[in-house]
Amino acid sequence: AQKITQTQPGMFVQEKEAVTLDCTYDTSDPSYGLFWYKQPSSGEMIFLIYQGSYDQQNATEGRYSLNFQKARKSANLVISASQLGDSAMYFCAMRVGSEKLVFGKGTKLTVNP
Amino acid sequence: GAVVSQHPSRVICKSGTSVKIECRSLDFQATTMFWYRQFPKQSLMLMATSNEGSKATYEQGVEKDKFLINHASLTLSTLTVTSAHPEDSSFYICSARAGHGNQPQHFGDGTRLSIL
Repeated sequence: AQKITQTQPGMFVQEKEAVTLDCTYDTSDPSYGLFWYKQPSSGEMIFLIYQGSYDQQNATEGRYSLNFQKARKSANLVISASQLGDSAMYFCAMRVGSEKLVFGKGTKLTVNP
Repeated sequence: GAVVSQHPSRVICKSGTSVKIECRSLDFQATTMFWYRQFPKQSLMLMATSNEGSKATYEQGVEKDKFLINHASLTLSTLTVTSAHPEDSSFYICSARAGHGNQPQHFGDGTRLSIL
C-alpha cells in the first residue's frame, strides 16, 4: 500500500536559516510523483514543488528544493533563507496511479525572528 | 494561473440542514476534481474523486448518500452534505487538476462547516 511518512510533528528554525522537512514514502509502483504543499493557518493549500520518480535532477523552485533520494525512498523539502511567512503546516504527498494524492500527517514549521 | 475558487468559506447551520459547497476552476478546465476532509491538526483525507459527466468515485467508508457530489461541467463540482449533523463539522477542501497526473492539484481555500 502507498504511504507517506512525515516523522517531524513540529520544527523550529531561525529566520534566514535553512531548514529540512523530512518525508519518506512507500510504493511498489515504479512511476509516481511527489508533491509538497504548504498550509498556512488560514487553511488554503499552496503547491510548492514537484518531483517525478523518473526525474534525474532534484527539483528546485525558488527557495524550495527537494532532496530526492530514490534508493532511500525519501523526498525531503529544503527551505533556504527562512522567512517569518514560511511558518505553516507542510504536507508531503504522493500521486497514486494517475489520480489520487496520498498525504502525510504534516510538519508544523515555526520560523523564529 | 490555475486558480480554484471554493464557496462558501464558512458555514454555520442547524442540525438537519443540507449544505452545498461549490468548487470552481477559474482559468482552466478540470475533468477531475477532488474532495477532501480535514479534521483539526490532521492531514487531508480524500473523500471522493469527481469526474465531469459521470458519477463520483467515493473512498471506502464515505457515505455516497450523505455526501452528494455533482460535476456538471469542466469548471464546477459541488459537494452537498445532506441532513448534516454535528459530527459532519469539519474543514472541507476541494482541488482540481489541469491535465495529466504529473500536474499538481490546485486547491480551493476550503470551507469550514460547523453544525450546531
